[in-house]
Amino acid sequence: SQQGEEDPQALSIQEGENATMNCSYKTSINNLQWYRQNSGRGLVHLILIRSNEREKHSGRLRVTLDTSKKSSSLLITASRAADTASYFCATVSGTALIFGKGTTLSVSS
Amino acid sequence: DTAVSQTPKYLVTQMGNDKSIKCEQNLGHDTMYWYKQDSKKFLKIMFSYNNKELIINETVPNRFSPKSPDKAHLNLHINSLELGDSAVYFCASSQERAVQPQHFGDGTRLSIL
Repeated sequence: SQQGEEDPQALSIQEGENATMNCSYKTSINNLQWYRQNSGRGLVHLILIRSNEREKHSGRLRVTLDTSKKSSSLLITASRAADTASYFCATVSGTALIFGKGTTLSVSS
Repeated sequence: DTAVSQTPKYLVTQMGNDKSIKCEQNLGHDTMYWYKQDSKKFLKIMFSYNNKELIINETVPNRFSPKSPDKAHLNLHINSLELGDSAVYFCASSQERAVQPQHFGDGTRLSIL
């Protein structure tokens, strides 16, 4: 069964603006991961946040995790056209990742 | 150097045929996976394979069978293809059974005529 739900499903912004995507999940987690998928390509791992962490940064990416609310957010600052992609959160279930439906981000120049 | 490679990239075939998709990883990972992504971009795990232990998603039809000749390869064989099998299939690999980040291939787009 599907574990996560991303919100919004689609997001359109201008270059230089910030983009925030949210993810909710249902069960307890070991960690939560965010992935990016460019059109026609495979998923690329962006960042992993463990259940005992609240915030993590990687370059222009900032991820927060609230285990009490079973939710996470991904913030991309100063977005670029190259950030146009689908973004997925994923949690570990058993031996594999369970992905949300994804947020499609469009960044126009 | 490609870390996870899949072949073919595109596969167009008739209903009822049998086909295989190959996957190889050169990362030295101990676990490999197959995912199916539907037209709405929803990704669903089909199989994970670790040290010769196969974990099957119970919703996957038995027409689908993974085959691993060695630790670096996990191929997907599909019998009696159906229209509903049309999707993009992704191979991935990781260390430590998904707790660690996964590396994905670029996918195989399967179209059933």
